[in-house]
Amino acid sequence: DTEVTQTPKHLVMGMTNKKSLKCEQHMGHRAMYWYKQKAKKPPELMFVYSYEKLSINESVPSRFSPECPNSSLLNLHLHALQPEDSALYLCASSLRGTGNEKLFFGSGTQLSVL
Amino acid sequence: DQQVKQNSPSLSVQEGRISILNCDYTNSMFDYFLWYKKYPAEGPTFLISISSIKDKNEDGRFTVFLNKSAKHLSLHIVPSQPGDSAVYFCAAYPGSARQLTFGSGTQLTVLP
Repeated sequence: DTEVTQTPKHLVMGMTNKKSLKCEQHMGHRAMYWYKQKAKKPPELMFVYSYEKLSINESVPSRFSPECPNSSLLNLHLHALQPEDSALYLCASSLRGTGNEKLFFGSGTQLSVL
Repeated sequence: DQQVKQNSPSLSVQEGRISILNCDYTNSMFDYFLWYKKYPAEGPTFLISISSIKDKNEDGRFTVFLNKSAKHLSLHIVPSQPGDSAVYFCAAYPGSARQLTFGSGTQLTVLP
């Protein structure tokens, strides 16, 4: 199994809503990532979890809250988002999270904030 | 400041011909490079990688060349197929840092 599974595939939410994005992998990877991608732009790193601990937060606003319940699961909790947060949110995983590794990406959640 | 640059936003190639996608970088600490392919509304898919101790890596139709002195790498696809039409991202790691830096991407269109 070389898949990273993300749910939901699409999400529309209002600025006062609370929602969560979910990500799962069963490759035994110990590092998981959240990226944000706007149209015609490269993916931008948001968070890195390594061995279930948050190791990198790229100065992401607190309205985005990551959670890593175990080494296979990664969540991104969303609250009070702004329309400019509309983007494709990508989850990825890698073997150890020590750098110089290929990342396996999920298909993403296309988020629209109204 | 973009540390990984893909200066060609788009490239069109005839089916069966060679596609050459280019990438330049400015950070001399980058020592591991990857190419990803992305279809619309999907996540990037890993294609091929190269370590800075090598100058070439080949995998089937895909070959990546690295010129460290010029801080330049290129992806060659031979022969190009219509299914190769996608956005191609160059990405790089600086040493043991965990932040993978992506270029802005090149849209490849392979014409039948």
